[in-house]
Amino acid sequence: GNSVTQMEGPVTLSEEAFLTINCTYTATGYPSLFWYVQYPGEGLQLLLKATKADDKGSNKGFEATYRKETTSFHLEKGSVQVSDSAVYFCASFMDTGRRALTFGSGTRLQVQP
Amino acid sequence: DAGVTQSPTHLIKTRGQQVTLRCSPKSGHDTVSWYQQALGQGPQFIFQYYEEEERQRGNFPDRFSGHQFPNYSSELNVNALLLGDSALYLCASSLESGYNEQFFGPGTRLTVL
Repeated sequence: GNSVTQMEGPVTLSEEAFLTINCTYTATGYPSLFWYVQYPGEGLQLLLKATKADDKGSNKGFEATYRKETTSFHLEKGSVQVSDSAVYFCASFMDTGRRALTFGSGTRLQVQP
Repeated sequence: DAGVTQSPTHLIKTRGQQVTLRCSPKSGHDTVSWYQQALGQGPQFIFQYYEEEERQRGNFPDRFSGHQFPNYSSELNVNALLLGDSALYLCASSLESGYNEQFFGPGTRLTVL
């Protein structure tokens, strides 16, 4: 079946540091890939997405590239801010079979001033 | 344009009781999916409704049931509540034609005592 694996958190960074959150997937086929962000007490917000190999999703300074050869979709940001503190979820979606999002377990990011 | 709304925000029940959660999709969306997010975990797919029918279902027992109304709003019902049903229940809406891009509501926090 499909699965998504993320690096364990929490990830603690100082403001303006470089961020990488690793995400790998397994799927029978080529899923669409997503990063969602969840701020405290809120639901999930779509951060960025990529629908095919070598696509780069980007939003609010975050970016991730769909790497078919390494089955990865790592999230990066060049300079984090305190306001980026949240939980980040990597997710995959196959347009066949169950046709539902499969999420990783989430990575908590804490950015200190 | 209202996004996805859910009610109630919080709910406390005791074991064995039944609960109904409600979701109104984003304007123009016709497909509703429900997810369960246990504390510290990623969301798990429960089921999806389209055209008032359950179209897809995850690995959840029959105690979990749902309904979609002609206005596309949806309910999630859980019978015979267990302590392990305590979680954040998320509703997501999408367009059937592009339903891999899902918009999430803020969730209902269910606590079972």
